[in-house]
Amino acid sequence: GNSVTQMEGPVTLSEEAFLTINCTYTATGYPSLFWYVQYPGEGLQLLLKATKADDKGSNKGFEATYRKETTSFHLEKGSVQVSDSAVYFCALSEQEGFGNEKLTFGTGTRLTIIP
Amino acid sequence: DAGVIQSPRHEVTEMGQEVTLRCKPISGHDYLFWYRQTMMRGLELLIYFNNNVPIDDSGMPEDRFSAKMPNASFSTLKIQPSEPRDSAVYFCASRISGTRKQYFGPGTRLTVT
Repeated sequence: GNSVTQMEGPVTLSEEAFLTINCTYTATGYPSLFWYVQYPGEGLQLLLKATKADDKGSNKGFEATYRKETTSFHLEKGSVQVSDSAVYFCALSEQEGFGNEKLTFGTGTRLTIIP
Repeated sequence: DAGVIQSPRHEVTEMGQEVTLRCKPISGHDYLFWYRQTMMRGLELLIYFNNNVPIDDSGMPEDRFSAKMPNASFSTLKIQPSEPRDSAVYFCASRISGTRKQYFGPGTRLTVT
């Protein structure tokens, strides 16, 4: 079955530090990959996505590259801000019509940025 | 667009009581998902619907849990009887065919005492 393994948290960084949150996956087909972010007291929001190998998703200074050879989708940001403090979830979804329409989530990584 | 709407936002109830959580998906979305989030187990998919039909309920923990989608604009998740271990945040999400992006509601925080 499908699975997502992501870096355990919590992660605490100083403002302007470089961020990497690791994510690797196992899938039977050709999944799309996602990073979702959950701010305190809110639901999950899509941060970025990539639908095929070597695609790079980017948004709000965050980036992640779909690496099929290493089955990875690591999240990076060059200079984090206090407002980036949140829980980050890596997720995958098989292609529509594969009979598996759901998202498989990782366990989430709590990120805290200190001024 | 109003986004996915969930009610109530907070629910506190006593063990043994029936709890009903409600969700209104985004208009035009034909997939609806119910998730449960706890510290211990993270985010779990409970059930999802396509065109109001339940497709996969393998995540529903036990018979005390049931979900319905009587029409395209409304779904309920019911727990009867509730137990303290059901305390969690329950999220509803929806999406439209042909896209993979799910839109999440703000969640319902359930506390069973």
